[in-house]
Amino acid sequence: DTGVSQDPRHKITKRGQNVTFRCDPISEHNRLYWYRQTLGQGPEFLTYFQNEAQLEKSRLLSDRFSAERPKGSFSTLEIQRTEQGDSAMYLCASSPGGFTGELFFGEGSRLTVL
Amino acid sequence: TQLLEQSPQFLSIQEGENLTVYCNSSSVFSSLQWYRQEPGEGPVLLVTVVTGGEVKKLKRLTFQFGDARKDSSLHITAAQPGDTGLYLCAGDRGGFKTIFGAGTRLFVKA
Repeated sequence: DTGVSQDPRHKITKRGQNVTFRCDPISEHNRLYWYRQTLGQGPEFLTYFQNEAQLEKSRLLSDRFSAERPKGSFSTLEIQRTEQGDSAMYLCASSPGGFTGELFFGEGSRLTVL
Repeated sequence: TQLLEQSPQFLSIQEGENLTVYCNSSSVFSSLQWYRQEPGEGPVLLVTVVTGGEVKKLKRLTFQFGDARKDSSLHITAAQPGDTGLYLCAGDRGGFKTIFGAGTRLFVKA
């Protein structure tokens, strides 16, 4: 299976700790997106990359959040000094060139901050 | 303020019934997608509509894009328990960023 994969699927951490999520997109896709989804809501855009360049960041992405895609392949999303409000599902998606709006999502990484 | 408003927020029906869910906006979209999401999983793309007035069918699901490309509907015929899930509409306005509605949570009882 060559779909989008995310790791870890679940993460429980204590407030103040740092966490990092990894996303491996579909190999031929050059765009990679991070979304956050809380209970009862649709996914909210956080940031996206075209190849290794981070082209847009949401205001939701505070200075405690950083995302990288160093070689234009996999991406990491790090949250520093986690807060309880960071508890959510973090979704990664990729899309091919010739953007049609279609996103292919991974299974998500669920974060619980105690 | 949600750019894409979905209604109803929640729908519980009996197996075999028909239903329609709606996705509305005051903005024009280059394309609009429908996704289905199950608990603990990522959204799965069902369909993309691009042309105003376009109708697409996927087995028992019928998707329509409004003439002005501001709204869409999803109609399910003879719903089955396997249709249970969160249905999300999403749209892009040509800037490589897709935004999502809050979703319609559908529960189909056997």
